[in-house]
Amino acid sequence: SQELEQSPQSLIVQEGKNLTINCTSSKTLYGLYWYKQKYGEGLIFLMMLQKGGEEKSHGKITAKLDEKKQQSSLHITASQPSHAGIYLCGADRANDYKLSFGAGTTVTVRA
Amino acid sequence: NAGVTQTPKFQVLKTGQSMTLQCAQDMNHEYMSWYRQDPGMGLRLIHYSVGAGITDQGEVPNGYNVSRSTTEDFPLRLLSAAPSQTSVYFCASSYSQGPYTDTQYFGPGTRLTVL
Repeated sequence: SQELEQSPQSLIVQEGKNLTINCTSSKTLYGLYWYKQKYGEGLIFLMMLQKGGEEKSHGKITAKLDEKKQQSSLHITASQPSHAGIYLCGADRANDYKLSFGAGTTVTVRA
Repeated sequence: NAGVTQTPKFQVLKTGQSMTLQCAQDMNHEYMSWYRQDPGMGLRLIHYSVGAGITDQGEVPNGYNVSRSTTEDFPLRLLSAAPSQTSVYFCASSYSQGPYTDTQYFGPGTRLTVL
């Protein structure tokens, strides 16, 4: 069973519009990672969140961690074609070196 | 630094064949791991290592072996390939022993097809 649920599975956004991706865990989160993947390539680290309420930004990408809801959101402001790709959340849920990943959200940015 | 390198990039095997996927990192990272990525499944942990000489199983270890004789290298062996092992394989490494305390760096992946 998928212990990290990402939503939506895919989305298409007009260039310049905002978008949000959610990642929900069925277990306690000890650390939450966001990665981006372009087709046929490896994963690129975006940011890591550890504490409840923590919020980090990298350019136009902001991620928040809601510890109570065991959920993280990734928000992209004024999307650009360079934001297209697959976004994956990963989490350490048991402090045992075993990282779990969501299935990914495919983002398409239309010019 | 080359970061995390993986070879080969693509591989086609016949059922029953064995092979080794290579992974190397030049960042002096203690923690290394292997994942497989399948459509709709995300990445699943196969095996991991917290240092040279220490390995352990992840979520889907069956059909795979690993060893860690040096800090730099972490090869993944398929003992007898099966079509269910058709996947994209990623190797990752991080400096600290706990993945939640540090960034994991990923290799470019190996696309394996088993016929």
